[in-house]
Amino acid sequence: SAVISQKPSRDICQRGTSLTIQCQVDSQVTMMFWYRQQPGQSLTLIATANQGSEATYESGFVIDKFPISRPNLTFSTLTVSNMSPEDSSIYLCSVEVLAGDPNTQYFGPGTRLTVL
Amino acid sequence: GESVGLHLPTLSVQEGDNSIINCAYSNSASDYFIWYKQESGKGPQFIIDIRSNMDKRQGQRVTVLLNKTVKHLSLQIAATQPGDSAVYFCAERELSYIPTFGRGTSLIVHP
Repeated sequence: SAVISQKPSRDICQRGTSLTIQCQVDSQVTMMFWYRQQPGQSLTLIATANQGSEATYESGFVIDKFPISRPNLTFSTLTVSNMSPEDSSIYLCSVEVLAGDPNTQYFGPGTRLTVL
Repeated sequence: GESVGLHLPTLSVQEGDNSIINCAYSNSASDYFIWYKQESGKGPQFIIDIRSNMDKRQGQRVTVLLNKTVKHLSLQIAATQPGDSAVYFCAERELSYIPTFGRGTSLIVHP
């Protein structure tokens, strides 16, 4: 398994500002992901955070809005830029742990973002 | 595109009863299925998984059933407890791809 922590756990931000969310894993992992979960909804993948290269974004998400860093195998950040109320959501970090075939995916506790 | 969905958005049960949460999937190429539990204020927690070459897998108080003929997945929770109250998500994936998550079912257990 993997223990994943996120900072901050929640925040209330003003429109037009940016927030950087940190994700720390207690072990080295190959795959790290960022998800968004809007109120009462399922999980939507934002991007895969690649160590040493640019993140791979899913359709509907762009680097200018959600820049991601992955400096090493245990840490990643997601920035929500130029926020609007529509960005209010829970942002989840996830990692894939090598556990055989298939590998197991684990999630952090999430960051609850409210944009006013 | 392909999608994963749940039949019932909310399920209410009495403590001690058995719960059945259903999930329909449409990607016939999916060969791995996972159930997650998400308690209020927390991230999703892995519960149990099943490969497409199986039709049943049991864990502690939980059983997952897979019917590939009708592309249906279910999670059975025996002797449901108040601590089981949460949102349950099914996810499906082709092994080399990232999972796709369903809509979620809210399970409410009444004491």
